[in-house]
Amino acid sequence: GEDVEQSLFLSVREGDSSVINCTYTDSSSTYLYWYKQEPGAGLQLLTYIFSNMDMKQDQRLTVLLNKKDKHLSLRIADTQTGDSAIYFCAERRGGADGLTFGKGTHLIIQP
Amino acid sequence: DAGITQSPRHKVTETGTPVTLRCHQTENHRYMYWYRQDPGHGLRLIHYSYGVKDTDKGEVSDGYSVSRSKTEDFLLTLESATSSQTSVYFCAISDVSGIDRDEQFFGPGTRLTVL
Repeated sequence: GEDVEQSLFLSVREGDSSVINCTYTDSSSTYLYWYKQEPGAGLQLLTYIFSNMDMKQDQRLTVLLNKKDKHLSLRIADTQTGDSAIYFCAERRGGADGLTFGKGTHLIIQP
Repeated sequence: DAGITQSPRHKVTETGTPVTLRCHQTENHRYMYWYRQDPGHGLRLIHYSYGVKDTDKGEVSDGYSVSRSKTEDFLLTLESATSSQTSVYFCAISDVSGIDRDEQFFGPGTRLTVL
């Protein structure tokens, strides 16, 4: 099975907050990432958090990390139609060089 | 945007033919990676490089080889393409310069179809 788990879909109304959740399994993970992918495009790095932090905020984005539960979340405030995309959670495990990705969450914005 | 280009952007080929995909960077980053993206699987690491002529296998390396003869170029070769290698291939780069810096930036992708 996948080592990084995400829900496949999330639907929110425009203007509301979106919260995308992710669970990972490797307690030695050093960094955790959120990427955004729009249709037909590459992956855009949104933000990342070092494992010794529990929160990181960047404009409309807030990342929360719960190491005890191995749970990562991405909150997007005031969700806009331009936020419609697939959001990938990824971890860098201790000693590894590549990233391990979840399957991605499709964020659907309702007017 | 990080200076990463991939070529070709699209390719259709036949089973059994060799295929080489190229990733080129202008950032002088030490690390380069090849991933493949398939529906229902997210992205999976194929191979990576941690310097010129230094490469290692990732999670799904069977059927692929790589080469890195200079910092800016990382080549992915399918010696004999199979239909299971139909996928979107992404190159990524990173330059770990400190304990608080570890960003991987991705190229635009190459869509490969093996008939």
